[in-house]
Amino acid sequence: AQSVSQHNHHVILSEAASLELGCNYSYGGTVNLFWYVQYPGQHLQLLLKYFSGDPLVKGIKGFEAEFIKSKFSFNLRKPSVQWSDTAEYFCAVNAPGAGSYQLTFGKGTKLSVIP
Amino acid sequence: EAQVTQNPRYLITVTGKKLTVTCSQNMNHEYMSWYRQDPGLGLRQIYYSMNVEVTDKGDVPEGYKVSRKEKRNFPLILESPSPNQTSLYFCASSLKLVSTGELFFGEGSRLTVL
Repeated sequence: AQSVSQHNHHVILSEAASLELGCNYSYGGTVNLFWYVQYPGQHLQLLLKYFSGDPLVKGIKGFEAEFIKSKFSFNLRKPSVQWSDTAEYFCAVNAPGAGSYQLTFGKGTKLSVIP
Repeated sequence: EAQVTQNPRYLITVTGKKLTVTCSQNMNHEYMSWYRQDPGLGLRQIYYSMNVEVTDKGDVPEGYKVSRKEKRNFPLILESPSPNQTSLYFCASSLKLVSTGELFFGEGSRLTVL
């Protein structure tokens, strides 16, 4: 079964700082990778996803993520964060090659952006 | 408006009193799933359903039941709730999880079991 590790539990940044959140997955076959965001008091929303092709994917609100197959990683980046980016971010993986109908989430990284 | 609707949004109950959390989606999605969210543990999948009458266990199914008699509805049943089931529950749906990967989430149901 697939699993996901997110390295940082809580990240605190000042506005305009650059962001990188780590995500590693464990599954040797083909995977679909996702980042979801949960703003305070809200439900999860899709930020971006990778299925195949260009390993650098761009999502909403200026976020991007890079899939590095050799490192089993899918790190989330943003060049300059804003206060409105304060939220919890979840990496998720699905392994369709294994016939998996599960979307497995990491434990999440809470981002606090200080004005 | 496309949405996933959960009820109730908030519930306080006592140990052993059966309860059902309803979930309904209006997007004609095949795939539906229940997750629980706990601090420091992220989202953990309870049950999922690939289509009507097809359900399977997720990672933490103990103490829960589900059914999928209609495409739009996927209720979560706690036959005999216990305090360790106090949590925030999310229902989610997807047109076809494997091909699109995108889950649409409900607003969440916060359950407290005393």
